[in-house]
Amino acid sequence: AQTVTQSQPEMSVQEAETVTLSCTYDTSESDYYLFWYKQPPSRQMILVIRQEAYKQQNATENRFSVNFQKAAKSFSLKISDSQLGDAAMYFCAYRNTDKLIFGTGTRLQVFP
Amino acid sequence: EAQVTQNPRYLITVTGKKLTVTCSQNMNHEYMSWYRQDPGLGLRQIYYSMNVEVTDKGDVPEGYKVSRKEKRNFPLILESPSPNQTSLYFCASSPLGTRDGYTFGSGTRLTVV
Repeated sequence: AQTVTQSQPEMSVQEAETVTLSCTYDTSESDYYLFWYKQPPSRQMILVIRQEAYKQQNATENRFSVNFQKAAKSFSLKISDSQLGDAAMYFCAYRNTDKLIFGTGTRLQVFP
Repeated sequence: EAQVTQNPRYLITVTGKKLTVTCSQNMNHEYMSWYRQDPGLGLRQIYYSMNVEVTDKGDVPEGYKVSRKEKRNFPLILESPSPNQTSLYFCASSPLGTRDGYTFGSGTRLTVV
């Protein structure tokens, strides 16, 4: 069965600095998608970035980028120029045909 | 606006009193799913549906029921709620045959006393 592991329950970063959130996963499939979701205090689940496993190029969305290492089954999220509004819970997720499988989340604090 | 609508947003109930959390999507998605979110556990799938009249158990289905009589609606039913079902619940949908992300509802905070 597929699993997703986020080993950092909490992280903190100074405003304008860069932070990296870690995620590893386990699967025997070769074709899948990976995602990072942001959950602010409003609790809405917001899609931050996605990565298709067959694409070698790392996905980028403005200040958010991923480091996708398929062989190592690693999918970390880098947030550059952190802003106060980035403070939230971040979930890594893996999609197969049946469901989206989530990690346990990393709570990110941003200090001014 | 394309969206998944959940109601209610907050609900406090007593043990054993049947309740239904509604979920509706306007994107004509075949796939719908319910998750519960608990601290330290992330989001875990309760039930999912790949189309009308087709439902299947997720990872934590005990104590829950669902139905899919219409494509747009996927209600979550707790026939006899217990305190261990106190949680944050999310409904989500997506097109079938895709490995793309889900569209989530805004969540229902359920407290069972």
